[in-house]
Amino acid sequence: DAGVIQSPRHEVTEMGQEVTLRCKPISGHDYLFWYRQTMMRGLELLIYFNNNVPIDDSGMPEDRFSAKMPNASFSTLKIQPSEPRDSAVYFCASSFWTELRNEKLFFGSGTQLSVL
Amino acid sequence: KNEVEQSPQNLTAQEGEFITINCSYSVGISALHWLQQHPGGGIVSLFMLSSGKKKHGRLIATINIQEKHSSLHITASHPRDSAVYICAVSRKNTGNQFYFGTGTSLTVIP
Repeated sequence: DAGVIQSPRHEVTEMGQEVTLRCKPISGHDYLFWYRQTMMRGLELLIYFNNNVPIDDSGMPEDRFSAKMPNASFSTLKIQPSEPRDSAVYFCASSFWTELRNEKLFFGSGTQLSVL
Repeated sequence: KNEVEQSPQNLTAQEGEFITINCSYSVGISALHWLQQHPGGGIVSLFMLSSGKKKHGRLIATINIQEKHSSLHITASHPRDSAVYICAVSRKNTGNQFYFGTGTSLTVIP
């Protein structure tokens, strides 16, 4: 398996522009997570999905952020309009969970976002 | 207050030294994870623990559920161990939700 695939690896945009980050989870995983990492706050959970359904979006900073998972193999995180304070590394991760045991969390390589 | 606290924040060691990174948490958990992030950003899961101890090569992770504490040990440290080590917990009764420490930045000097 290729692992969790994120694109793009780097994104540089101007304030006010729309940004779309993409993620392909590991096949068979039923949980998908979007995280944001900054120097000040470390890793923060933005939103997670179970079986393509958003379960907890309380970490999404504001209405400018939205996430979708139209099918089991694809998710997007969109920022519209983007602001300089959105500059961070955005990670997607996936895992497979059962009642009896929990699995490792598998991360994508991240998208480094710079909003100028 | 952060649910997961790590110490130290930064650590510099000489090659060959024994290293310990600590993690304390304040919530009920179903498992604790140790992650490694190298310069360049990729995050790798090292261990998942719900009790006792696990060993992988020169890395050892322990957890004390009663004390809500875990340690990550690196024996015979090497410059390639230089990375940020992140402790994360998955909480009971909240589905598969993870909380992260702010990480420990380790530099091993040759």
